[in-house]
Formats: sequence, C-alpha cells, structure tokens
Amino acid sequence: GAGVSQSPSNKVTEKGKDVELRCDPISGHTALYWYRQSLGQGLEFLIYFQGNSAPDKSGLPSDRFSAERTGGSVSTLTIQRTQQEDSAVYLCASSLVASEAFFGQGTRLTVV
Amino acid sequence: AQSVTQLDSQVPVFEEAPVELRCNYSSSVSVYLFWYVQYPNQGLQLLLKYLSGSTLVKSINGFEAEFNKSQTSFHLRKPSVHISDTAEYFCAVKGTYKYIFGTGTRLKVLA
Repeated sequence: GAGVSQSPSNKVTEKGKDVELRCDPISGHTALYWYRQSLGQGLEFLIYFQGNSAPDKSGLPSDRFSAERTGGSVSTLTIQRTQQEDSAVYLCASSLVASEAFFGQGTRLTVV
Repeated sequence: AQSVTQLDSQVPVFEEAPVELRCNYSSSVSVYLFWYVQYPNQGLQLLLKYLSGSTLVKSINGFEAEFNKSQTSFHLRKPSVHISDTAEYFCAVKGTYKYIFGTGTRLKVLA
C-alpha cells in the first residue's frame, strides 16, 4: 500500500474486554513499531519487530499487552482485560533499517 | 540509553515572526535525528531528518534544523511562521533501532 494502514480508526470498549488493533505496514519495510500516545504525553514505545528476529517487548506496560507480526508483514496488538488507563491513541510505524519511521493514522482506543 | 528533551511544551508566536523549538538529546551511540509534525486530529508526518552529512537540514515548507554534536542539540527554526504551521512538533532520536520521542512542543501561531 501507499502508507501504513491501521484499523480500526476508533474503538470504544467496555472495561475488562479484550481488543485487537491491526497494522499493515509499508510493503518492504522490515521494521515495525507500536507506540502509545496519551493526551498531553509524548510517544511511548511499546514493541519493535525486525524481520524474523525476536521482537523487543521491553516497552509493553503489562502482561495484558501482546503483539505479533505474521509473515513479516501485518501486525496485531492485543490488549486483554482493558482498563481505563489503556485509553490512548495507538500508533504503528514501519521503516527500513537506516531511515525514518512512517506512521499510520492511529487507533483511538477509549475504555469506558 | 537515549533520551530526548523538549523543554517548551507550548510556544505561542505571532504570524510572520521567527520561531525556534528546542530539542536536546542524550545518547552513548551515534544517532539519527528527526522532527515530526502532528496537525490536529492527524497522524505524525516527517518534517525533516539528519542521518549524516551536512549538519543543517531543511524542509520543503521553510523549516530548518541544525545538528550540533557538541551541544547534543537539534533545534528547529523557521524565520517566518504561518497560521498553518500551528501543530505539535516532536523531536526524535534513533540510536540502535528504537525511535525515542520527546514530549512535544505545541506551536500556536497567532494572527
């Protein structure tokens, strides 16, 4: 595709439910990132995938968060048993090794 | 570990005035540096980048930034701002593989 695509663009869920956020990176980009942007905050790193290497999960805030990347392309970020503090915009980005990251439009998650 | 500091959370400036948004970073390895812009209700767009070579880099809409290794800074400047420049600006550093972002500076251009 022309850019990084994320779905859904908005998600409202009840506290305690599980949610899945999808990211379709730019074709050929080997690196894929997930970030979280809370109101008034910067971008918080969550997880990084590079090719077939083991992902860097060091930014995941709790074990309720997990992510996978299938076939070196599409990625899914799953949040189990959502809490109100999980409300944020979740941003996905992809890049080549030595270049800038290209961001999707994000998924705005609201936990009620 | 790397970190990025954007000291100014908000910068109001009148239209056609100059502006400087400050960014300082710390890193124990060589870095790439970036400025991203986020317009209201939109995603992040790359404004400009320093990967190597000339330390002064420019965007197509009149912004420029200079990589200063001794001061570990990458300040963003524009000699004359426009109303349409109102947005949030994020400085980012990439060391090994991870992009680390500052907390952002909200630029508000006043008529």
